[in-house]
Amino acid sequence: QVQLVQSGAEVKKPGASVKVSCKASGYTFTSYGISWVRQAPGQGLEWMGWISAYNGNTNYAQKLQGRVTMTTDTSTSTAYMELRSLRSDDTAVYYCARGIDNWNYEVDYWGQGTLVTVSS
Amino acid sequence: DIQMTQSPSSLSASVGDRVTITCRASQGISNYLAWYQQKPGKVPKLLIYAASTLQSGVPSRFSGSGSGTDFTLTISSLQPEDVATYYCQNRRTFGPGTKVDIK
Repeated sequence: QVQLVQSGAEVKKPGASVKVSCKASGYTFTSYGISWVRQAPGQGLEWMGWISAYNGNTNYAQKLQGRVTMTTDTSTSTAYMELRSLRSDDTAVYYCARGIDNWNYEVDYWGQGTLVTVSS
Repeated sequence: DIQMTQSPSSLSASVGDRVTITCRASQGISNYLAWYQQKPGKVPKLLIYAASTLQSGVPSRFSGSGSGTDFTLTISSLQPEDVATYYCQNRRTFGPGTKVDIK
């Protein structure tokens, strides 16, 4: 069965960086894209970006350009999302999710979420 | 970026009621529209993609329609387990969500 298992919760100070991992199993990793979505406490869903696990092509949300980097390691079927220069409003649950195919941003399987708290 | 709006922002209906949620795009998006259900404290779940294609395993009481700028998610007979927030998505943009409760 398809599973996406994310790394554990993080607490970071403003200005620091965080890197969240997402290990995939149960499917051919390179046949699907991975999207990253975050959800601030009590708020809606925010699309952060997408990476093709096939060729590493990325597409990031404009508001995060320059602060976010998404990568994959096909040898371990793991996707990574790094967010730099953290601010308090980056406090959120971060989800990785598998695309419905290798080019669309709609997603069908989600990780369990990783809470990132940014606080001094 | 294309903006997505949803209406209503919340609704309360009785078990068995037909419920309709609307999602509107700021410009035409063909059928690039997905719907998700997020129950309290849970991970979102894909219900419908390509505006009207039901994801495998999703109950048939859920349906989607629309094309261009206006889309709807319909629950034909509301069940207690449908209490959730529903989000539409066009590629890079999610709608703000519609919270559905039982009256």
